[in-house]
Amino acid sequence: GQQLNQSPQSMFIQEGEDVSMNCTSSSIFNTWLWYKQDPGEGPVLLIALYKAGELTSNGRLTAQFGITRKDSFLNISASIPSDVGIYFCAPRDQGAQKLVFGQGTRLTINP
Amino acid sequence: SAVISQKPSRDICQRGTSLTIQCQVDSQVTMMFWYRQQPGQSLTLIATANQGSEATYESGFVIDKFPISRPNLTFSTLTVSNLSPEDSSIYLCSVEEGAEQFFGPGTRLTVL
Repeated sequence: GQQLNQSPQSMFIQEGEDVSMNCTSSSIFNTWLWYKQDPGEGPVLLIALYKAGELTSNGRLTAQFGITRKDSFLNISASIPSDVGIYFCAPRDQGAQKLVFGQGTRLTINP
Repeated sequence: SAVISQKPSRDICQRGTSLTIQCQVDSQVTMMFWYRQQPGQSLTLIATANQGSEATYESGFVIDKFPISRPNLTFSTLTVSNLSPEDSSIYLCSVEEGAEQFFGPGTRLTVL
């Protein structure tokens, strides 16, 4: 099966710092989705990427679809307390058309 | 995006019993999915539910344990049968809209 590696697994940062997380795989994907999950909630879609090399922003969030179609990163600038949560990358498998979820990055912010 | 609701939001069940989870969407969707999220883990796809056909199960999940109904384009149920403590998880309904996918709030199941 596919190997999808999301890193880091956890981050402890100060409010105001920038955050960067990424996902890499040995497989090629045709869509990358990034989600945030708050405690007790379902994942919420943050950014969707459809083309290799695509760079997309949503407020303080920026994500890029790697040119090889095997990786993606998500950056958060000037973090605030409400950014706390678990972030998942979820690329769509090219053949089966199903989402594959990364292991998640747990973000903790010290005020 | 579609608005997805799930019932119940949480439940505590005795081992050997079953729990049926309902998923309601505010618009008609072709593809609905059921996921399991074990404590501290990522999401794992259980099955894909299409209206008018049998659900398609992922490796490691079987219909006898996780029967699914999909009577129309806005509703689906997932039953978790013959519960054991290992079934304690969050169960999430999801729908596809174009190339994007949206999730319900989840059902937190605890099995004693």
